[in-house]
Amino acid sequence: NAGVTQTPKFQVLKTGQSMTLQCAQDMNHNSMYWYRQDPGMGLRLIYYSASEGTTDKGEVPNGYNVSRLNKREFSLRLESAAPSQTSVYFCASTGTGSTDTQYFGPGTRLTVL
Amino acid sequence: DQQVKQNSPSLSVQEGRISILNCDYTNSMFDYFLWYKKYPAEGPTFLISISSIKDKNEDGRFTVFLNKSAKHLSLHIVPSQPGDSAVYFCAASDSGGSNYKLTFGKGTLLTVNP
Repeated sequence: NAGVTQTPKFQVLKTGQSMTLQCAQDMNHNSMYWYRQDPGMGLRLIYYSASEGTTDKGEVPNGYNVSRLNKREFSLRLESAAPSQTSVYFCASTGTGSTDTQYFGPGTRLTVL
Repeated sequence: DQQVKQNSPSLSVQEGRISILNCDYTNSMFDYFLWYKKYPAEGPTFLISISSIKDKNEDGRFTVFLNKSAKHLSLHIVPSQPGDSAVYFCAASDSGGSNYKLTFGKGTLLTVNP
């Protein structure tokens, strides 16, 4: 039982390049989330998927797209990376209970030059 | 508009003493509150939670207090240990919603000195 896994752990991009961050969970959770963490800004929600087949914007969705590939996997895509997207990205998942805990992955550290 | 506020970016305490981390919220719909702990280069991990029907929840050295009228919660760690040194995030949700979103504060860096 690996919990929430993310790939890659580190990535360096040039401005304008694209990439996809992968996330998978093996806890049979319905809901999945993508956050970014920046110094002094806490955790900000980018996109979330309340259930398989649905996705919705969070607080800071501009410049990102997501795909809920199946119940296990939720990917985050940067179509044209910008230096402002330099951040640490966390994926999380939670069950169906309204007070269920969100479990986080280890994060992807992305630098855009 | 920041709905969950942690006004102290950092806190330093001596080993064995009490650590008190504070959190304020503005959204009256929030009725479930959580604390997460984060070590460098790792993802946040759940620490303790409290529902709005309670005013206190205790788990070992960790106690969370909720004051609904003041829209304020606090995390007490007693006694503090050097391994508690981490960033602590306060989070809140509206449990009546259907998307189970959490709103996080900016975090407080706790340093426990030996």
